Amino acid sequence: ERVMTQSPATLSASPGERATLSCRASQSVNTNFAWYQQKPGQAPRLLIYGASTRATGIPARFSGSGAGTEFTLTISSLQSEDFAVYYCQQYNNWPLTFGGGTKVEIK
Amino acid sequence: QVQLVESGGGEVQPGGSLRLSCAASGFTFTSYAMHWVRQAPGKGLEWVAFIQSDGTVRHYGDSMEGRFTISRDNSQNTLYLHMSGLLSEDTAMYYCAKDLGVAWLMLDHWGQGVMVTVSS
Repeated sequence: ERVMTQSPATLSASPGERATLSCRASQSVNTNFAWYQQKPGQAPRLLIYGASTRATGIPARFSGSGAGTEFTLTISSLQSEDFAVYYCQQYNNWPLTFGGGTKVEIK
Repeated sequence: QVQLVESGGGEVQPGGSLRLSCAASGFTFTSYAMHWVRQAPGKGLEWVAFIQSDGTVRHYGDSMEGRFTISRDNSQNTLYLHMSGLLSEDTAMYYCAKDLGVAWLMLDHWGQGVMVTVSS
């Protein structure tokens, strides 16, 4: 099983700041990798797939990068609606696995 | 627009069984793979199961193998998850999710979830 490790667990930032979230895979997942956003009381939403392709309707301030075992989600300028929990997911191998999440909170 | 509506959750005793359903609409159900994902209270996401668009290929998370069965009725646009031998650690919100494609394995639409509580 590919273990996905996200860091930091919590990121405190102010609106307008840049946020950088990381995810590391225990073994290479190539670019078979996605990011999701989840707000309290809501279902997750797909943000990025293929490590760097934004899903339909996702604003350009969200960008993804990486390949192999190291991945990054960057939010260029945090908006109020971006404060949420972010999960990474690998789909290179069965079983599919998610990271433990990074909570982005208002500083 | 895509809609996924889960039902069938509730409270069940340890060792019991439950069947979850997910009614799909707003897309061509027969063209897409489907998934179940769960989230224990206050915890992260855990992938549960996958079924290919025609139902011929299925995969499960390690802790669900042998206890959970994913199935689908393409004539009724409905996804199912039959759970047996339930344990307290199966207590979670269960989400039905649509695959981005035939088996692309990213989840582009999610239902609002249904709660399953395993307790004596």
